[in-house]
Amino acid sequence: EAGVTQFPSHSVIEKGQTVTLRCDPISGHDNLYWYRRVMGKEIKFLLHFVKESKQDESGMPNNRFLAERTGGTYSTLKVQPAELEDSGVYFCASSPGTAVATNEKLFFGSGTQLSVL
Amino acid sequence: SQKIEQNSEALNIQEGKTATLTCNYTNYSPAYLQWYRQDPGRGPVFLLLIRENEKEKRKERLKVTFDTTLKQSLFHITASQPADSATYLCALGGYNKLIFGAGTRLAVHP
Repeated sequence: EAGVTQFPSHSVIEKGQTVTLRCDPISGHDNLYWYRRVMGKEIKFLLHFVKESKQDESGMPNNRFLAERTGGTYSTLKVQPAELEDSGVYFCASSPGTAVATNEKLFFGSGTQLSVL
Repeated sequence: SQKIEQNSEALNIQEGKTATLTCNYTNYSPAYLQWYRQDPGRGPVFLLLIRENEKEKRKERLKVTFDTTLKQSLFHITASQPADSATYLCALGGYNKLIFGAGTRLAVHP
């Protein structure tokens, strides 16, 4: 069974440009999460989808970040325009049920390393 | 303010010894706590979950304790091996999302 896949693995862009990250969750997983780790800090929650609906987007830093999950399968996270402080590793995770309600573990992708210069 | 604290410095131990990692939290009341392992360039991988009404959970060489009075979880790896070298993350659950600590880097030397 394929795990959670993220693309690209690395992205280097200049300040002001746009970048789109993609996440393919494990097939059949309704729950999809985006997290971000900034250098030296903890992994922080960004948002949570249940199928195609945004369940919680309280962790999104500002309106330069837009996440979508059309059709309830893969998800994209777009940053436009990118700023220096957006640099970090963006992780996607999925789970079959409602992880926090059923205490399920999350399955993480390997992340996208974003560098904004 | 709410905080999750894990040893920020790396933990260096000799192969065969028991590694003990600490996760302390402030101003949270998690329903459960999870531990993950993260290797360089990879995403976190789930290891163990312990609920608030459980004192201890074991899985092979791993043991987790959860003290809701002390607001602390301890993660033990017995008979440690160089392959156990990684960063270990604790995560609090019950808030409609997992809240992660910054992690502790463990280095097991032959």
